[in-house]
Amino acid sequence: KAGVTQTPRYLIKTRGQQVTLSCSPISGHRSVSWYQQTPGQGLQFLFEYFSETQRNKGNFPGRFSGRQFSNSRSEMNVSTLELGDSALYLCASSSRQANTEAFFGQGTRLTVV
Amino acid sequence: AQKVTQAQTEISVVEKEDVTLDCVYETRDTTYYLFWYKQPPSGELVFLIRRNSFDEQNEISGRYSWNFQKSTSSFNFTITASQVVDSAVYFCALSDVFFGNEKLTFGTGTRLTIIP
Repeated sequence: KAGVTQTPRYLIKTRGQQVTLSCSPISGHRSVSWYQQTPGQGLQFLFEYFSETQRNKGNFPGRFSGRQFSNSRSEMNVSTLELGDSALYLCASSSRQANTEAFFGQGTRLTVV
Repeated sequence: AQKVTQAQTEISVVEKEDVTLDCVYETRDTTYYLFWYKQPPSGELVFLIRRNSFDEQNEISGRYSWNFQKSTSSFNFTITASQVVDSAVYFCALSDVFFGNEKLTFGTGTRLTIIP
């Protein structure tokens, strides 16, 4: 069973640009959650998508957005990049059933210069 | 608001020693879920355990054990006879959403180094 796949693994962008990150969940999982990990703020929840709809949202500005496709793959987009957006972005997939856990991908390391 | 506190930023122990990682949580909900994840240098978070708020039974899995105490809002993790492969950052997490796995609030993590 393939795990959670995030692409790309590494990305360097310039301040002001926008970026799109991709996450393919485990087959059969319809929930995808996104997290930002930085040395200063730690691991913070961005949002969760289930059945192509955003179900939960964290406290991030509107520059951070996402979407989910009918095959459960998800993308997150960050517009007008700032230096502080440099982080490891992790996605997690789950089946949204009781007594199950979320499985994480290896993340996308975004560096904004 | 939810909060998870891992007061130990870094811990170093010599191989084969036992080590306990502390986790204290805050939530107003009566139903919630607690987790421990391990993050090796490769970056992905590896699931270790999930505990529901109504199940205070402690759990042992091999060299790993967990002590859940609602009275003190703590969910501590002990590694017995530590090994070098246990070196990683460990995160405690809390969730109050319906299924418990779709939105996690993480602690700041404890970096554990096992010295050979």
